[in-house]
Amino acid sequence: AQSVTQLGSHVSVSEGALVLLRCNYSSSVPPYLFWYVQYPNQGLQLLLKYTTGATLVKGINGFEAEFKKSETSFHLTKPSAHMSDAAEYFCAVSPYNTDKLIFGTGTRLQVFP
Amino acid sequence: KAGVTQTPRYLIKTRGQQVTLSCSPISGHRSVSWYQQTPGQGLQFLFEYFSETQRNKGNFPGRFSGRQFSNSRSEMNVSTLELGDSALYLCASSLEGVAGAYEQYFGPGTRLTVT
Repeated sequence: AQSVTQLGSHVSVSEGALVLLRCNYSSSVPPYLFWYVQYPNQGLQLLLKYTTGATLVKGINGFEAEFKKSETSFHLTKPSAHMSDAAEYFCAVSPYNTDKLIFGTGTRLQVFP
Repeated sequence: KAGVTQTPRYLIKTRGQQVTLSCSPISGHRSVSWYQQTPGQGLQFLFEYFSETQRNKGNFPGRFSGRQFSNSRSEMNVSTLELGDSALYLCASSLEGVAGAYEQYFGPGTRLTVT
């Protein structure tokens, strides 16, 4: 069965610092991988996704993630944190040919001035 | 283009009652999925509908049911509500129901409180 593990339920960084949110997946076949962001009292918004091809994926708001098959990881990074990045971030995996998403437990990002 | 809309946004029900939540997908989208979000269990998949057919179902009791209409609008129903059903219920829609190929757009959710 497919699953994702997000290491660290809370991450705090200073404004301008590097953001690194960790995600490891478990899948017997090459997965589709996603990062979503959720702002308070809102639904989820897609940041980026990996399906096939280039392993470094660029998303919205300056975020990017690298698919590393050897490490079964899909960590999310942003070179310089902004106050507006404070939100909850979810890593997800999807079986082939379906809309079903299996989410990790989420990481709450705090950004301090 | 209007986004995914969910009604109602907030709902308070009593244990034992039933509830129906509605989701209107983005125009032209044929796939609708539902998720339950709670602090303890996180985001859990409930169902996926594509062209009025349930394609996937999560690990929830039979009290949770759903359907999709010919205009792609979807409803989910929870019967005999329990306190543990208190959650944010999120609906998402996509064009063709293949997460890798088509982006899923999420609605703002319905906040259900069971007392």
